[in-house]
Amino acid sequence: AQRVTQPEKLLSVFKGAPVELKCNYSYSGSPELFWYVQYSRQRLQLLLRHISRESIKGFTADLNKGETSFHLKKPFAQEEDSAMYYCALSVFITDSGGYQKVTFGTGTKLQVIP
Amino acid sequence: NAGVTQTPKFRVLKTGQSMTLLCAQDMNHEYMYWYRQDPGMGLRLIHYSVGEGTTAKGEVPDGYNVSRLKKQNFLLGLESAAPSQTSVYFCASSFLDIYLSSGELFFGEGSRLTVL
Repeated sequence: AQRVTQPEKLLSVFKGAPVELKCNYSYSGSPELFWYVQYSRQRLQLLLRHISRESIKGFTADLNKGETSFHLKKPFAQEEDSAMYYCALSVFITDSGGYQKVTFGTGTKLQVIP
Repeated sequence: NAGVTQTPKFRVLKTGQSMTLLCAQDMNHEYMYWYRQDPGMGLRLIHYSVGEGTTAKGEVPDGYNVSRLKKQNFLLGLESAAPSQTSVYFCASSFLDIYLSSGELFFGEGSRLTVL
């Protein structure tokens, strides 16, 4: 079974400070990892995925298979980064017609203090 | 360009009442999902569908039923609402990737349900 752990419910940082949102996972195979973000009064949306290896809105995340982690980082936090962040692990399940099983962490609320 | 639309956005029910949440997507996605979001528990999968006419149980299916009569619509029903079903419900859809890798989930805005 897969599991995603986000140890921090709330992370408060000052504007301009570095940000690191922690995510650890457990899965025996090769997972696909994602970060989703939910801004105030907006729907959940994809922020980035590990296979694309890109930086979105200054955020990056590196998959560390040895430590089973996928931490989200940004060198300089902005006020507009304040939001709820969810780490997610996706696995394709071949039974029941095949479907994408996505397991979400419990989320971390990032609060950027002006 | 609507994407994923959920109705209603808010609803208050009394214990024992029934209701249906409607999810509609205009992206021609094969997969559709219903999640519930509760404080401290993240998003948990209730039911999912891999195509028109098919549904399957997720992690927390008890007390819910679903139907996917048309590809673009995925309905979530509560036959006899209970206070434990007070939650925010999210619908999501994704496309069928022929290489079986995982696709992006596209979410609706959420439906806040309160059961008294």
